[in-house]
Amino acid sequence: DAGVTQSPTHLIKTRGQQVTLRCSPKSGHDTVSWYQQALGQGPQFIFQYYEEEERQRGNFPDRFSGHQFPNYSSELNVNALLLGDSALYLCASSLDWTGVLDEQYFGPGTRLTVT
Amino acid sequence: QQQVKQSPQSLIVQKGGISIINCAYENTAFDYFPWYQQFPGKGPALLIAIRPDVSEKKEGRFTISFNKSAKQFSLHIMDSQPGDSATYFCAARDSNYQLIWGAGTKLIIKP
Repeated sequence: DAGVTQSPTHLIKTRGQQVTLRCSPKSGHDTVSWYQQALGQGPQFIFQYYEEEERQRGNFPDRFSGHQFPNYSSELNVNALLLGDSALYLCASSLDWTGVLDEQYFGPGTRLTVT
Repeated sequence: QQQVKQSPQSLIVQKGGISIINCAYENTAFDYFPWYQQFPGKGPALLIAIRPDVSEKKEGRFTISFNKSAKQFSLHIMDSQPGDSATYFCAARDSNYQLIWGAGTKLIIKP
């Protein structure tokens, strides 16, 4: 059983460009959350998708948007990239959007570098 | 109030020793306190977790100690092994079911 997968592994973009990151959840999981992890920091919650809708959102600007597809996979889009957007972007999936019934399983992340 | 403060930032322990990582919080609404382990190039993985109605939880060599009145919790790794070398994060879940993470502790176990 494949766990959470993310693509691409690494990405280099220029300031002002747009980027799309992809995530496939663990088999059977219907909830996907996205996190930003800056170097030397803990992950920061961006948003969470359940039933193709954004259920929760952290303190991130509207430049960060997402989507969940009927097969539960998800995309994270970032527009007008800033140097400060350089980070590891983590996707996590779970069975339960509250996290009460089940833990979150994390993917290996996408390393985004903005130059 | 939404912060979780983690210390130390880095820790070096001899093989066989006890590794101790501490976290403190302010928000009394936090209701779930997990610890995650992250190896380079990997996403975080849940190691052990505790709820505030329990003062201690042990799983193998890993123990969480929880002090509700002091708003502190800690991870103890007994008989630390080189394979335990990783970055450890504490976290706390708020009333919106979001995890608030500490800044991480880089643990190195010297053989």
